[in-house]
Amino acid sequence: DAKTTQPNSMESNEEEPVHLPCNHSTISGTDYIHWYRQLPSQGPEYVIHGLTSNVNNRMASLAIAEDRKSSTLILHRATLRDAAVYYCILRDPYHTGANSKLTFGKGITLSVRP
Amino acid sequence: DAGVIQSPRHEVTEMGQEVTLRCKPISGHDYLFWYRQTMMRGLELLIYFNNNVPIDDSGMPEDRFSAKMPNASFSTLKIQPSEPRDSAVYFCASSGLIGTSNTGELFFGEGSRLTVL
Repeated sequence: DAKTTQPNSMESNEEEPVHLPCNHSTISGTDYIHWYRQLPSQGPEYVIHGLTSNVNNRMASLAIAEDRKSSTLILHRATLRDAAVYYCILRDPYHTGANSKLTFGKGITLSVRP
Repeated sequence: DAGVIQSPRHEVTEMGQEVTLRCKPISGHDYLFWYRQTMMRGLELLIYFNNNVPIDDSGMPEDRFSAKMPNASFSTLKIQPSEPRDSAVYFCASSGLIGTSNTGELFFGEGSRLTVL
């Protein structure tokens, strides 16, 4: 399985932008880059995903490097409710078998200071 | 849609007892995943199904754990006999393939918190 590496933790100030990095140097051509987050005492929730182009949604933006070996999740204005563990995961949704599963690493713990 | 529904939300049992956790996936999803989360090991994939068929159960800790998916709308994870080290939060998630009007994202239930005394 293609792996991702993320820093263990990051801190941010409220209402400032946050850039959460992820390295995935062994990504394959059909792997989508997914980001999930897990708020305290809740199950993981989907944030955003992309393949090659940068993506925006109401929660965040995803910037994907041209060689696809890294990506950055961008929270434009962090709030206290954004304090969570953020997971960067690769998944190939077009195939059954091993490539279909989502393997979570340790993720990056984001702390937001008031 | 009600989302992924798990039961029970909390379970406290004694060592040696049988535990059954239940999951109802989102209608139309053809993948179902069981994860376990502990402080020490984080989120671990235990087993996943595609179209009710187990695809990969390599994450199942040992023979005390078993999972079934008798139909597209129901799955169980059973632990027999339970041990204190099985204490964890167990999550069920479902998803579909791209092309079935979704993007392959996983939708997680709220989890079942198991405590084995």
